[in-house]
Amino acid sequence: ILNVEQSPQSLHVQEGDSTNFTCSFPSSNFYALHWYRWETAKSPEALFVMTLNGDEKKKGRISATLNTKEGYSYLYIKGSQPEDSATYLCAFEEYGNKLVFGAGTILRVKS
Amino acid sequence: ETGVTQTPRHLVMGMTNKKSLKCEQHLGHNAMYWYKQSAKKPLELMFVYSLEERVENNSVPSRFSPECPNSSHLFLHLHTLQPEDSALYLCASSQATGVSNTGELFFGEGSRLTVL
Repeated sequence: ILNVEQSPQSLHVQEGDSTNFTCSFPSSNFYALHWYRWETAKSPEALFVMTLNGDEKKKGRISATLNTKEGYSYLYIKGSQPEDSATYLCAFEEYGNKLVFGAGTILRVKS
Repeated sequence: ETGVTQTPRHLVMGMTNKKSLKCEQHLGHNAMYWYKQSAKKPLELMFVYSLEERVENNSVPSRFSPECPNSSHLFLHLHTLQPEDSALYLCASSQATGVSNTGELFFGEGSRLTVL
């Protein structure tokens, strides 16, 4: 059974703070690592799909890094805003198998 | 309409009822998925229809049965459910390039199911 761990479980920050979350996954048979943002009462929305070791991706104030050899990915949010409040999900894709999701990190940004 | 749409958004049913959840994708994707979101648990894959091949999670009880009449429509038929089946059921689609590749998932807003 594949284990995808996300930490922390939840996070409360002030507007303007920068923050980061971790996703840990098996380091063998890697195919891709996905990050999704899930706002309350909406559908999960893809942020990044990462496939290469050392890859870094950026979308506005959000960026992500990937280390497939040690099995982790970091998601960074610079200058958090209240609209960044959401659950952030990572999902590990093993070659030949479907996505396995972590339990998510709940982010609350206070104004 | 664009994206992935699910109906109904909310469903309450008794344990002896038979109901269906419907999902439609307008993205031209070749793969569709049913996920289950139970309280405080990760998203759990239930069924996949990808490139005309059905893949299922062997732990899903037979009281859930999927149907995929074409690449744009996906159903989840429900019968004799249990209260522990109450959850959010999410449909998703993607453009898979092979059986081993999911691609970026596009989700619907979910159907909230309550079993009494």
